[in-house]
Amino acid sequence: EDQVTQSPEALRLQEGESSSLNCSYTVSGLRGLFWYRQDPGKGPEFLFTLYSAGEEKEKERLKATLTKKESFLHITAPKPEDSATYLCAVFKDDKIIFGKGTRLHILP
Amino acid sequence: EAGVTQSPTHLIKTRGQQATLRCSPISGHTSVYWYQQALGLGLQFLLWYDEGEERNRGNFPPRFSGRQFPNYSSELNVNALELEDSALYLCASSPWGGAQPQHFGDGTRLSIL
Repeated sequence: EDQVTQSPEALRLQEGESSSLNCSYTVSGLRGLFWYRQDPGKGPEFLFTLYSAGEEKEKERLKATLTKKESFLHITAPKPEDSATYLCAVFKDDKIIFGKGTRLHILP
Repeated sequence: EAGVTQSPTHLIKTRGQQATLRCSPISGHTSVYWYQQALGLGLQFLLWYDEGEERNRGNFPPRFSGRQFPNYSSELNVNALELEDSALYLCASSPWGGAQPQHFGDGTRLSIL
């Protein structure tokens, strides 16, 4: 069964404390992996697309990487405004399968 | 550039009623996707429309249906509402189908009393 699993479910960090979020997938024929950020009461906001193992993308304090079985979202020196739920999703067979997300809380 | 817009923002219905949710995609996008985000379950894929045709649907009963209009806007219809249909319904659009990033609206919160 195709699955996308994100860990941890929740993460509390101090401002400036770097960490990584994990997204593992058991999907054959992966055609793309996406990272989104979702704030309470809002729709997901697109961050990155990764298409092949070894690919990396960066945006401000965020860096996404991809291997054949998992992806990481690295957050460097986070700020309180980085607090949100981060969603990982994979594209297969004309649909996107989302993980349940990691709720990230950055303490000032 | 205007983003994906959804209406209404909130909708309150009772069991057995029917609900209609609407979505306008980003200009130039032909693909529209619908998702259900229920508490604790994450985003569940509902439907995908492209060029007016239903291209794929998720594991939802037939009482969840929709359509896409010639201007690429879309509506989601939910018949015979049940309590467990209470959720945030999100619409997303992309330039075309395939492994393209989808851009989301802020959703319609559907509450079933």
